[in-house]
Amino acid sequence: KAGVTQTPRYLIKTRGQQVTLSCSPISGHRSVSWYQQTPGQGLQFLFEYFSETQRNKGNFPGRFSGRQFSNSRSEMNVSTLELGDSALYLCASSHKSGGETQYFGPGTRLLVL
Amino acid sequence: AQSVTQLDSHVSVSEGTPVLLRCNYSSSYSPSLFWYVQHPNKGLQLLLKYTSAATLVKGINGFEAEFKKSETSFHLTKPSAHMSDAAEYFCVVGANAGGTSYGKLTFGQGTILTVHP
Repeated sequence: KAGVTQTPRYLIKTRGQQVTLSCSPISGHRSVSWYQQTPGQGLQFLFEYFSETQRNKGNFPGRFSGRQFSNSRSEMNVSTLELGDSALYLCASSHKSGGETQYFGPGTRLLVL
Repeated sequence: AQSVTQLDSHVSVSEGTPVLLRCNYSSSYSPSLFWYVQHPNKGLQLLLKYTSAATLVKGINGFEAEFKKSETSFHLTKPSAHMSDAAEYFCVVGANAGGTSYGKLTFGQGTILTVHP
């Protein structure tokens, strides 16, 4: 079974731009969670989607948003990029939300200049 | 509310010696606990998971962890370190069925393991 895939793997943007990251979960998994990893803050939860519905959201500003499609693929969008948004963005999938093991993709590394 | 504390930010061992990575957790519910490993410029790989079936959990690559409720600890061990074990390790508390933290994993700050030849 193919693992979680994320595209693109690397991105360079400038302040003020917006960016969209994509995540394809493991086949059959319906829950997708997103995390931001930075050296200073570590790994922080952004949000989780299950059956196209956002079920949970972390403590991030409204510039961070996401969605999930009927095939469980998910996208996250960051508008009006700031330098501090430079990070590794990881997505993870699981069969269902709530205590399930999450399997991570390789991440998208975003650099904001 | 959930939280995780990894007691050492860096651990250095010699190849062939035991590894101990320490983790304490706090959870309002009976927790799901995980250890993940991250090699440089890679995503996170699951090492093992505690689900209350057994307090001693065996994972991949010879790692195991023991759940101690009285100490709220979930330390990761390996009898003999290998050079390929050098990486960053994360202790993680998971969401629980019936709770409201859907899909949310709470990560410790990570422990960087260095293995010397």
